[in-house]
Amino acid sequence: DAGVTQSPTHLIKTRGQQVTLRCSPKSGHDTVSWYQQALGQGPQFIFQYYEEEERQRGNFPDRFSGHQFPNYSSELNVNALLLGDSALYLCASSLVSGSSTDTQYFGPGTRLTVL
Amino acid sequence: AQSVAQPEDQVNVAEGNPLTVKCTYSVSGNPYLFWYVQYPNRGLQFLLKYITGDNLVKGSYGFEAEFNKSQTSFHLKKPSALVSDSALYFCAVREVNRDDKIIFGKGTRLHILP
Repeated sequence: DAGVTQSPTHLIKTRGQQVTLRCSPKSGHDTVSWYQQALGQGPQFIFQYYEEEERQRGNFPDRFSGHQFPNYSSELNVNALLLGDSALYLCASSLVSGSSTDTQYFGPGTRLTVL
Repeated sequence: AQSVAQPEDQVNVAEGNPLTVKCTYSVSGNPYLFWYVQYPNRGLQFLLKYITGDNLVKGSYGFEAEFNKSQTSFHLKKPSALVSDSALYFCAVREVNRDDKIIFGKGTRLHILP
């Protein structure tokens, strides 16, 4: 049973560039959430995708956008990169159920460095 | 607004001793509570969760957590620490509604001393 996978593992960009990160959810999961984890901090919620639509969003600017594909995989796009965007980006997948209590399972993350 | 506090940046415990990692939370309604562990250069691994029912929740790798509603706490515990338990531990909360946004604490680094 494949867990959550993310690519690439590491990425180095310069200020002003754009980046795309990818995530494949755990088998059987239909919901993908993205988090940003800055050094020494806990993960911060960016947004969540379900049925190919953004379901909710955290306090992140419009430079952060995403997409979910029919196979439930997802992309996170960040435009006009800033130094402060350097972080570990985590993808988590879960299964929507009537009780909405299902656990989110995390991938290994993509380490983004902006120079 | 929901929030999570982990008051200790670091906890040091001798191998074989019991360990406790503290967590308090704030939500307007009933909480769902989670503990995750993060090893170096790895993503978060799920340890355990409290949804409802018994206040003592048992999870992976011998960890357990006790939900205390009056103290709004959800402390992580293990009776006998292993050196391999050394890692970064995150407490997280989600409110009981259809909102799946999870709020994480800042993390507690656990050092198990051989």
